Amino acid sequence: NAGVMQNPRHLVRRRGQEARLRCSPMKGHSHVYWYRQLPEEGLKFMVYLQKENIIDESGMPKERFSAEFPKEGPSILRIQQVVRGDSAAYFCASSHEQGVPYNEQFFGPGTRLTVL
Amino acid sequence: DQQVKQNSPSLSVQEGRISILNCDYTNSMFDYFLWYKKYPAEGPTFLISISSIKDKNEDGRFTVFLNKSAKHLSLHIVPSQPGDSAVYFCAASDPGGGSEKLVFGKGMKLTVNP
Repeated sequence: NAGVMQNPRHLVRRRGQEARLRCSPMKGHSHVYWYRQLPEEGLKFMVYLQKENIIDESGMPKERFSAEFPKEGPSILRIQQVVRGDSAAYFCASSHEQGVPYNEQFFGPGTRLTVL
Repeated sequence: DQQVKQNSPSLSVQEGRISILNCDYTNSMFDYFLWYKKYPAEGPTFLISISSIKDKNEDGRFTVFLNKSAKHLSLHIVPSQPGDSAVYFCAASDPGGGSEKLVFGKGMKLTVNP
């Protein structure tokens, strides 16, 4: 059973370009979370999606960032017109469902974005 | 405004001894607490968790203690092994907003010396 997959693992963009990060959740998982880790910081929540729905985007910057989780295919985190401050590790996590007790989130290996 | 705090950035212990990792939180709405272990260039790996209605959970060499009145939890690893060397993140589940998003501390680097 493959784990959470993210690609690319490393992505280099110049300022002003677009970055697309992909996440394939674990088989059978329909809940996806995106987190960002800046250098020397902990992971910070960005967005929570279920298939075709954004449930909680309270951690997403208001501009340039968007996320989707279509009916078919991976979840996509898109960053338009990247700036140097977007350089970070972006982690995706998936879970089977919400409920009691807590449903564990399984993390992917991350995408390291470098903006030149 | 950091809701989950790991105040010690690093800890070094001898193999076979106990490692104690501490974590404090401020939000009384957190309903579940987790510890994740992370190696460089990898994603976090779940280690152990505890519900807010419990005060202790044990799994092999790992035990997590929760003191709700003090808003404090700790992870005990005994005996510590060199393979335990990694960065450990304390996290809390925030049920607000319709999600169970995790709020992470900044992490603590544990080094276990042979």
